[in-house]
Amino acid sequence: GNSVTQMEGPVTLSEEAFLTINCTYTATGYPSLFWYVQYPGEGLQLLLKATKADDKGSNKGFEATYRKETTSFHLEKGSVQVSDSAVYFCALSSSGSRLTFGEGTQLTVNP
Amino acid sequence: DVKVTQSSRYLVKRTGEKVFLECVQDMDHENMFWYRQDPGLGLRLIYFSYDVKMKEKGDIPEGYSVSREKKERFSLILESASTNQTSMYLCASSSHLRDRGQTQYFGPGTRLLVL
Repeated sequence: GNSVTQMEGPVTLSEEAFLTINCTYTATGYPSLFWYVQYPGEGLQLLLKATKADDKGSNKGFEATYRKETTSFHLEKGSVQVSDSAVYFCALSSSGSRLTFGEGTQLTVNP
Repeated sequence: DVKVTQSSRYLVKRTGEKVFLECVQDMDHENMFWYRQDPGLGLRLIYFSYDVKMKEKGDIPEGYSVSREKKERFSLILESASTNQTSMYLCASSSHLRDRGQTQYFGPGTRLLVL
């Protein structure tokens, strides 16, 4: 079956630090890959996605590249801000409309 | 913009009560989903629906049922609430169209406390 594994959190960084949140997956076929973000007190919202191998998704300074050879979709940002503090979820969809989510990674950015 | 709304942000119920959680989307999406979110477990799919009056069990359907009488509305029902159903409940919707990349749009969540 499908599964998503994220690096364990929580992650605490200082403002302007470099961020990496690791995500690896197991799936049948050729899945689409997603990063969702959940700000405090809110539902999830799509941050970025990639639908085929070697695609790079990007949004709000965040990037992730779909690496089929390593079954990974790591999230990166060059310089985090306090406003990036949130929970980040990696997810995949391999058929139909169902998403499989990782456990989530709590990010706290201190000024 | 897609909007998914949930009937309550916070709800307190007693053990044994019947609980209804309502979700409405305004983008004419065919697919709708109910998840629960618990710390360390991520999101787990309870039920989903790909059309009116259609429903499919997700990964943890026990203790829950759903209803989809209209395309825009998807209800989650706890037939007899128990304390282990205390959780955050998230509703989502998505289009059938594959070129949308199966993006799901989420509501703000309902935090349910069962006493």
